[in-house]
Amino acid sequence: NAGVTQTPKFRVLKTGQSMTLLCAQDMNHEYMYWYRQDPGMGLRLIHYSVGEGTTAKGEVPDGYNVSRLKKQNFLLGLESAAPSQTSVYFCASRGTGTRGGEQFFGPGTRLTVL
Amino acid sequence: AQSVTQLGSHVSVSEGALVLLRCNYSSSVPPYLFWYVQYPNQGLQLLLKYTTGATLVKGINGFEAEFKKSETSFHLTKPSAHMSDAAEYFCAVSDRGGSQGNLIFGKGTKLSVKP
Repeated sequence: NAGVTQTPKFRVLKTGQSMTLLCAQDMNHEYMYWYRQDPGMGLRLIHYSVGEGTTAKGEVPDGYNVSRLKKQNFLLGLESAAPSQTSVYFCASRGTGTRGGEQFFGPGTRLTVL
Repeated sequence: AQSVTQLGSHVSVSEGALVLLRCNYSSSVPPYLFWYVQYPNQGLQLLLKYTTGATLVKGINGFEAEFKKSETSFHLTKPSAHMSDAAEYFCAVSDRGGSQGNLIFGKGTKLSVKP
């Protein structure tokens, strides 16, 4: 069981470039999430999905798009990267059967936008 | 709307001393509460959670937390700090107070342990 994996682990972009971050989970979880973590800000929810083919906006969705074409994968896209998107990005997943709704996190992707 | 406040962005203790990390929440419905730990350059790992029932919750690595409804608090404690406890700790609340909600995180408390 790999749990939640994220690809890539590190990436450096120039302003205006695009990229896609991939999150995969092998726990058959319905819910998946993308967060960004910035110093002193905690984790802020970007987008989330409650099932295959569904997506919804979180607290800080601007500048990002997501897709959930397969239940096990959740993609986060940056169409035109900006320096303000320099951050560490975490993916998480949650099953519907867990009382309390704990989330399981991936190891993170460190993105720098120059 | 629900929110979480963690008092103290940095806490420093000596090895063997009591660890106390504070968390207060606001919620209009009975909350589910969580503590996560993040070691350097890693993802978040669940320490413990409160759903219903016993208000004193025990987690991994000797940590425990007590849900106090009257104080809207969920403080994390450990009787004796170990060097390996040095990490960042996040308190979180479920935003709908039930198993279908998203998590709202506090800003985190970085714990340092001095030898």
